[in-house]
Amino acid sequence: NAGVTQTPKFQVLKTGQSMTLQCAQDMNHNSMYWYRQDPGMGLRLIYYSASEGTTDKGEVPNGYNVSRLNKREFSLRLESAAPSQTSVYFCASSVSLAGADTQYFGPGTRLTVL
Amino acid sequence: AQSVAQPEDQVNVAEGNPLTVKCTYSVSGNPYLFWYVQYPNRGLQFLLKYITGDNLVKGSYGFEAEFNKSQTSFHLKKPSALVSDSALYFCAVILFNRDDKIIFGKGTRLHILP
Repeated sequence: NAGVTQTPKFQVLKTGQSMTLQCAQDMNHNSMYWYRQDPGMGLRLIYYSASEGTTDKGEVPNGYNVSRLNKREFSLRLESAAPSQTSVYFCASSVSLAGADTQYFGPGTRLTVL
Repeated sequence: AQSVAQPEDQVNVAEGNPLTVKCTYSVSGNPYLFWYVQYPNRGLQFLLKYITGDNLVKGSYGFEAEFNKSQTSFHLKKPSALVSDSALYFCAVILFNRDDKIIFGKGTRLHILP
């Protein structure tokens, strides 16, 4: 099992460009998440998907959109990138949204917006 | 609102000595508590969690944590530190409530000195 995979690993964008971050999991998990990690800020939830066909906003959703393509895949789109979106982005999955369920994280995408 | 605090940005410990990484939380109910570790250029990895039951929880790589309800703390400990334990450690809290999402602390960087 690969667990949670993310592509690309690194990306540099110019302000105003768009891009999609891809995430896939092979653990048959129902719930998936997108976080961003900034120095001194910990992880902040951008969007999550409780199950296939549903998505909800997290703590910092502005400037992002998501698509739960199927049970395995959950993508994050930046429509018009801004320097404030320079960050490391992590995708995660869990069996369900239940608080006791452990989240499993991908390796991350390091995004720089110039 | 629930919150979690990691009061130390960095902890330095000599190899072979015991280590403690502190975490305190604030929730209006019974919490689920987690510790995750992040090695350089990697995603977060689950270490251990407290759901209910014994206050002392044992996890991966020889780590353990003690849930202290009166002090609202969940400190991570290891009896004898290894250089390979050097990493970024995150404490996280969630209530047993589907409307609440897991909240991560800002992280504590642990340096084990050879």
